[in-house]
Amino acid sequence: DAGVIQSPRHEVTEMGQEVTLRCKPISGHNSLFWYRQTMMRGLELLIYFNNNVPIDDSGMPEDRFSAKMPNASFSTLKIQPSEPRDSAVYFCASSFFARGDQPQHFGDGTRLSIL
Amino acid sequence: KNQVEQSPQSLIILEGKNCTLQCNYTVSPFSNLRWYKQDTGRGPVSLTIMTFSENTKSNGRYTATLDADTKQSSLHITASQLSDSASYICVVSRRTTSGTYKYIFGTGTRLKVLA
Repeated sequence: DAGVIQSPRHEVTEMGQEVTLRCKPISGHNSLFWYRQTMMRGLELLIYFNNNVPIDDSGMPEDRFSAKMPNASFSTLKIQPSEPRDSAVYFCASSFFARGDQPQHFGDGTRLSIL
Repeated sequence: KNQVEQSPQSLIILEGKNCTLQCNYTVSPFSNLRWYKQDTGRGPVSLTIMTFSENTKSNGRYTATLDADTKQSSLHITASQLSDSASYICVVSRRTTSGTYKYIFGTGTRLKVLA
């Protein structure tokens, strides 16, 4: 079974550039989560969707970040303009509904470096 | 304040030995508690999920306990193997008044198993 697929695996770009991270959730899952992980702050939930609808975006750090889920099999996280402090590993995860008792399945992340 | 604290921050043990990782939380209202294993360069993988009424849950050599009264959880690893070397993350979820879920992450325990 294919797990959560993220692309690209690595991204290096200069500050000020637009960055788009992509995620394909596990087929049949109807909740999708975007996380950011840094050494200093650990894992942070940025936003999650249920049935393609954003439910909680309170973790999105600022207006430079935006996320979309145009259909059940695809989501993007966009940073525009990017800044060096956005450097982190970004994970996407999916599950059956964002209920507390459902395991989330994570992709292997996108390692983002902003120079 | 909703917080999750894990200890120790890091741990080194010899292969074949047992170890216990701790997670204390102040999250309210409590929904459930999860333990994840994260290998270097990979996304987290769910080990166990426990609700309020569950005291113990096992997944192979991993056994998680939960004391909802003292708001403490532990993850016990039996007969450790080199492949257990990873970060272990405790996550506590709570349900908000609007019906969404909030996830509070610990900063993890980094375990190294030596041959």
